Amino acid sequence: AQKVTQAQTEISVVEKEDVTLDCVYETRDTTYYLFWYKQPPSGELVFLIRRNSFDEQNEISGRYSWNFQKSTSSFNFTITASQVVDSAVYFCALSPRSNYQLIWGAGTKLIIKP
Amino acid sequence: DTGVSQDPRHKITKRGQNVTFRCDPISEHNRLYWYRQTLGQGPEFLTYFQNEAQLEKSRLLSDRFSAERPKGSFSTLEIQRTEQGDSAMYLCASREGAGSSTEAFFGQGTRLTVV
Repeated sequence: AQKVTQAQTEISVVEKEDVTLDCVYETRDTTYYLFWYKQPPSGELVFLIRRNSFDEQNEISGRYSWNFQKSTSSFNFTITASQVVDSAVYFCALSPRSNYQLIWGAGTKLIIKP
Repeated sequence: DTGVSQDPRHKITKRGQNVTFRCDPISEHNRLYWYRQTLGQGPEFLTYFQNEAQLEKSRLLSDRFSAERPKGSFSTLEIQRTEQGDSAMYLCASREGAGSSTEAFFGQGTRLTVV
């Protein structure tokens, strides 16, 4: 089975707190890609990052960081010093080599309170 | 290129009417996807084109739904005899190349309300 699970339906934190969004995936493919997207209230899905299955280096981009661990099939997303503008729904997606589709998690709604 | 564009942004229709949505992908992208999204859910796959060829259609999709991409550029999604359950956001995305490595770029979606 190919599946993405985002167990956290909604997270609410106060501004400046750090927050981690979890993503667990399942695939039998050895080559695959993982993505994170942000969907603000305006509705457009915005690409944040891509990671391939052979690269387990963590990535940092400003306040955003991603932790990819093949051993636990996880690709978690951390926002450091959260801001109100980070409020959105965040989706994790899997693109297995054997499948042209993107397989989506159900999303995590992140609420950052001022 | 300004990205993926969808038209209209919003559509309100009466039950039983037909509706058609348009998607203009990023010009050099040969792959185009249609998704449906309801509140609190991730995008649900509807159909996929590589160039002008429709390679896959979701088995969950009723025969009332049809999509075309006649010249491998823009695409249309038509829903016939709309039902209230069709109310959702319809998203279009395009991707470059043929492999699994490239990201999909999304339009702003068309929000359909069936009354």
